[in-house]
Amino acid sequence: GIQVEQSPPDLILQEGANSTLRCNFSDSVNNLQWFHQNPWGQLINLFYIPSGTKQNGRLSATTVATERYSLLYISSSQTTDSGVYFCAVYGQNFVFGPGTRLSVLP
Amino acid sequence: GAVVSQHPSWVICKSGTSVKIECRSLDFQATTMFWYRQFPKQSLMLMATSNEGSKATYEQGVEKDKFLINHASLTLSTLTVTSAHPEDSSFYICSAWGNSNQPQHFGDGTRLSIL
Repeated sequence: GIQVEQSPPDLILQEGANSTLRCNFSDSVNNLQWFHQNPWGQLINLFYIPSGTKQNGRLSATTVATERYSLLYISSSQTTDSGVYFCAVYGQNFVFGPGTRLSVLP
Repeated sequence: GAVVSQHPSWVICKSGTSVKIECRSLDFQATTMFWYRQFPKQSLMLMATSNEGSKATYEQGVEKDKFLINHASLTLSTLTVTSAHPEDSSFYICSAWGNSNQPQHFGDGTRLSIL
């Protein structure tokens, strides 16, 4: 099945800093999403982005499907951005990456 | 946006009890629902995929007699953990979508603790 990797596994930032999270996948996909899991376990849907670029406030994402990767950009990070960021892809079924654990310090 | 309701949000029960978790799509018809399991500090693992009116498809290593899934309508799927034991304690999350060209929408999850 599809393999999904995310990098970096852990990231510590000072409030106001920018960051880029990466998701690599091993095969063609027709569905890709980025999620933020908050400390209570809720999964917040950030982007549905099987290809192209999208922006939503301080967040943006780009998926280059032909090169099998997606990037999530967080600008001017805030402490409320802390949590785990997952990408999930769908080939024959859904596979989640291992996540990037982000800590934003005040 | 689309809303998926999952309940209960927290269950604590004795070993040997069967526990039912409900997942409802409130404002769209979910042709497919997914059930995931998440252990502490780990990623989500897909347990099974259920399509309305048909038997669920379980991932390798998931016991279908242990985790009974019913998807009786386009808005409701249930997961029943039968004869639960402490090793079944985990965070269970459902999601729903209309088709493969749409995003999946998640419930808030159920924390299951078996004593």
